Amino acid sequence: DAGITQSPRHKVTETGTPVTLRCHQTENHRYMYWYRQDPGHGLRLIHYSYGVKDTDKGEVSDGYSVSRSKTEDFLLTLESATSSQTSVYFCAISALELHRGYYNEQFFGPGTRLTVL
Amino acid sequence: GENVEQHPSTLSVQEGDSAVIKCTYSDSASNYFPWYKQELGKGPQLIIDIRSNVGEKKDQRIAVTLNKTAKHFSLHITETQPEDSAVYFCAARLIQGAQKLVFGQGTRLTINP
Repeated sequence: DAGITQSPRHKVTETGTPVTLRCHQTENHRYMYWYRQDPGHGLRLIHYSYGVKDTDKGEVSDGYSVSRSKTEDFLLTLESATSSQTSVYFCAISALELHRGYYNEQFFGPGTRLTVL
Repeated sequence: GENVEQHPSTLSVQEGDSAVIKCTYSDSASNYFPWYKQELGKGPQLIIDIRSNVGEKKDQRIAVTLNKTAKHFSLHITETQPEDSAVYFCAARLIQGAQKLVFGQGTRLTINP
């Protein structure tokens, strides 16, 4: 298994509170991603990073921010959590391997189940 | 942007029978189509992928076919076994997609003994 950990694995919080989820990798992969998974929607990209301090928005980025100060860590922050952000959050990593022509597998972490009351 | 539609949302088959899951994509610029399997309580895991310059790819009991003209691709599982029960996701990636994938909605496959 790819060396990806997510913390916490479960969290219950109240509306309006800030929440930070952490993704940690030991693979030294360049790309890191945050997805949310909701029934009927599959996996939707929130934000991704293509290097230290290099991040960009995905399709559902409103209400979320990210930071990547080290290769191994990618943080997802909900500045003021809302009930609509109740979801399962997955981190993924991917390498940039020229010999594979940029067709690189994404490896997923175990997920964080977040409940916003 | 890219949009991926996946059908069916649930699929139940008898052990030993075949299962087929279909996906369509919207952007003809997509060039990479992976399939992920997600078991209960775990993150998705890649099971097979196909590039746009290939029409079919097989790996033991699993195969994927791609029709670029119609913009659809399918996952075929033969001789299904109980351990094939899981949620399956298709995805597509744009050529200039900066390593980003767009996922389908998922198919819950149940193998009945």
